[in-house]
Amino acid sequence: QKEVEQNSGPLSVPEGAIASLNCTYSDRGSQSFFWYRQYSGKSPELIMFIYSNGDKEDGRFTAQLNKASQYVSLLIRDSQPSDSATYLCAVKGGAAGNKLTFGGGTRVLVKP
Amino acid sequence: NAGVMQNPRHLVRRRGQEARLRCSPMKGHSHVYWYRQLPEEGLKFMVYLQKENIIDESGMPKERFSAEFPKEGPSILRIQQVVRGDSAAYFCASSPPASEKLFFGSGTQLSVL
Repeated sequence: QKEVEQNSGPLSVPEGAIASLNCTYSDRGSQSFFWYRQYSGKSPELIMFIYSNGDKEDGRFTAQLNKASQYVSLLIRDSQPSDSATYLCAVKGGAAGNKLTFGGGTRVLVKP
Repeated sequence: NAGVMQNPRHLVRRRGQEARLRCSPMKGHSHVYWYRQLPEEGLKFMVYLQKENIIDESGMPKERFSAEFPKEGPSILRIQQVVRGDSAAYFCASSPPASEKLFFGSGTQLSVL
């Protein structure tokens, strides 16, 4: 079992719709959860982080965390073509210590 | 405040040569992480360093790979006797003390011929 799992996609959404991305993790001791966006050929950039169960909103992005079920999700509202990228889920803490452990990423395609 | 600086952006080596990748963290950041990314895959952790100390090298291959972060100068990831399987994008990230946010450099694309 991979430590952090994501559906590789591509997740195709029409412009203006909501994109919903899911991520599950295996280490119940994980404490911090991150979403990074990576455009093709570019470096990852942090877009959201969440520590507590529940929802956290930042602009068009909402991160949701459920520690009991060991999943974290990202919602992108009013999706734009510029949101087309690979979204990487990462977790920190537990047995992994201070390093971030990344999932394989979900590719999102927003179609005009 | 400049971001995390990596050089070179592209590095071509022949099998058996050495590759040296450099990373200068953001100002005020004392923690450096190296990750490797193969095409269409996620980031794989390699090593976590603080100044003059290797904190976690659990992701480093046992042979040919080494990393350092000296008191002065950039962090260096060194790959000896490169093989074709070493071809990948190598990303460096840094964070300030007591912060969980990582900031990534632009990466070095290593190609082994």
